[in-house]
Amino acid sequence: QKEVEQDPGPLSVPEGAIVSLNCTYSNSAFQYFMWYRQYSRKGPELLMYTYSSGNKEDGRFTAQVDKSSKYISLFIRDSQPSDSATYLCAMRYGGSQGNLIFGKGTKLSVKP
Amino acid sequence: ETGVTQSPTHLIKTRGQQVTLRCSSQSGHNTVSWYQQALGQGPQFIFQYYREEENGRGNFPPRFSGLQFPNYSSELNVNALELDDSALYLCASSPSGRASVEQYFGPGTRLTVT
Repeated sequence: QKEVEQDPGPLSVPEGAIVSLNCTYSNSAFQYFMWYRQYSRKGPELLMYTYSSGNKEDGRFTAQVDKSSKYISLFIRDSQPSDSATYLCAMRYGGSQGNLIFGKGTKLSVKP
Repeated sequence: ETGVTQSPTHLIKTRGQQVTLRCSSQSGHNTVSWYQQALGQGPQFIFQYYREEENGRGNFPPRFSGLQFPNYSSELNVNALELDDSALYLCASSPSGRASVEQYFGPGTRLTVT
């Protein structure tokens, strides 16, 4: 079993839809949970990160972490064609071990 | 403020050759991490450098090596290239040392091994 599982999609939604992206993980030692957006042929861009369980909101984006279920989500409200990209979840242990463990990424397409 | 830059953008090498990839970290960032991203996969951690010392390494063989310089720029060297080394190589820099959570990625170097 991989440490981080993410459905690769692709996921296609109409403009204005609410998008839900999810990851599951197996290692309960993870403490930080990130979401990155990666446009084609570009490097990943950090959208937001959460420490431990709970919700975090930033504009149209909401990240949720449920450590009891080992499940994280990213919601995108009022999706736009410019949101079309691959969304990567990533996780990190606490302390000075700085490496991120990524999911495979979910390819999202928002149709006008 | 300049972001993370990487060079070259693209590279084609032959199996068995050696390659050096370069990364300039974001201003003020003293920690650099390298990742390999195969097509259709998430990035995989190669290693991290903090103040010119290796601070953690992923599951990559010793033919993957690195350096960090006093100005915090970094190099990734790969010897004896194999076909499976074809991937996008990403560099990420972090502020505030090894414990920093935020990693900011460069655009990557696309390496093709034939």
